[in-house]
Amino acid sequence: EVQLVESGGGLVQPGGSLRLSCVGSGFIFNNYWMSWVRQTPGKGLEWVANIKQDGSEIYYVDSVKGRFTISRDNGKKSLYLQMNSLRAEDTAVYYCARFDKTGDGYNGPAGRWFHPWGQGTLVTVSS
Amino acid sequence: DIQMTQSPSTLSASIGDRVTITCRASQSLSSWLAWYQQKPGKAPKLLIYKTTILDSGVPSRFSGSGSGTEFTLTISSLQPDDFATYYCQQSNRPYTFGQGTKLEIK
Repeated sequence: EVQLVESGGGLVQPGGSLRLSCVGSGFIFNNYWMSWVRQTPGKGLEWVANIKQDGSEIYYVDSVKGRFTISRDNGKKSLYLQMNSLRAEDTAVYYCARFDKTGDGYNGPAGRWFHPWGQGTLVTVSS
Repeated sequence: DIQMTQSPSTLSASIGDRVTITCRASQSLSSWLAWYQQKPGKAPKLLIYKTTILDSGVPSRFSGSGSGTEFTLTISSLQPDDFATYYCQQSNRPYTFGQGTKLEIK
């Protein structure tokens, strides 16, 4: 069974830092792109970051660029999200997800989706 | 960024009903769409990818269609397990989701 398990969430003050971890099992971790997606009651689901199998390509949503860093350790089948300079609006449940993709948009339609998802870890930024 | 707008935001329906959820993109998509189901306290679960393909194990009463700016998720005959919140997601980076449609029991 493919499984993703996050950890590392908690309460942190504005301006503080937190590191999230995600361990994958049941699939060949280093064969897949991986992602972080967050969810808040107000903004709903928001893609945060992606990382290629070997870490050579990384992408972020604009709102976290320069503050968050996604990384992975394929030997440990682990994905990480280092979050610095945290703000109240970063408060959310953070999900780790495997990122599946097909097509490049040039030679046919591109398809991108998240599957499966971990159970999520809650990050609360508050004083 | 491409904005995804779902309608309705809330849908009340009965067991056995046929329901349709619409997802509209702020610009024409030349890419595929995905749909997710989420139950309270749980992570989203992939239902449909590449606009029309059901993920493994998803019942055939679910179907997806659409192109351009308008996409739909249809449940042909509602079952008790289907009452949940549904989200669409487009495939151009940044990958954006609809705001969700909560399907409630009538």
